[in-house]
Amino acid sequence: EVQLVESGGGLVQPGGSLRLACAASGFTFSSYWMSWVRQAPGKGLEWVANIKQDGHGAYYLDSLEGRFTISRDNTNNSLYLQMHSLKAEDTAVYYCARAFPASAWPFDYWGQGALVTVSS
Amino acid sequence: QSVVTQPPSASGTPGQRVTISCSGSNSNIGGNYVHWYQQLSGTAPKLLIFKNTQRPSGVPDRFSGSKSGSSASLAISGLRSEDEADYYCATWDDSLNVGVFGGGTKLTVL
Repeated sequence: EVQLVESGGGLVQPGGSLRLACAASGFTFSSYWMSWVRQAPGKGLEWVANIKQDGHGAYYLDSLEGRFTISRDNTNNSLYLQMHSLKAEDTAVYYCARAFPASAWPFDYWGQGALVTVSS
Repeated sequence: QSVVTQPPSASGTPGQRVTISCSGSNSNIGGNYVHWYQQLSGTAPKLLIFKNTQRPSGVPDRFSGSKSGSSASLAISGLRSEDEADYYCATWDDSLNVGVFGGGTKLTVL
């Protein structure tokens, strides 16, 4: 059974940093593109970043202005999102999502989400 | 503001058939597949329809998708109370070179 479990969410002050992790199991992690998708409170879904199977290639939402970095550890079946210079508008539930086989889009499995709250 | 547009709300009574629309342009829906997600309250999105019309295993055949030109639709027949959820369409946008989601439609079962 495919499972994606996020961790690392929490309350952080504006300008602060946070690192999210996603533990994957039930499939060959190294064979899939992986993404982070966020959902602000009461709002819709927004793709944030994705990363190729081997980790050599990552893409980001333009408006992030280089503040976020996606990475992966295929040995430990884990996906990460390092977030810096956090702003109030980054407050959201962040989902880890697996893409369709041999594709970066769309997503067939999602984690339960990690809530990131940016507030003083 | 998403480049693909959904009505913010829809409703129906048990047993009815409801449709949810998703409207875009040639750079997204017009030239790419459309996928649909169901998000029950407080849970993660679940893939409901992929590649316009296909259902993942386990999704009831009460759910169906269609696409025509730059628009797509999700139809739910035999509406049930457990179908009350937010529904999102998703597609690739060739101009933005990213995947995009519609704004979501909140379905209420009266």
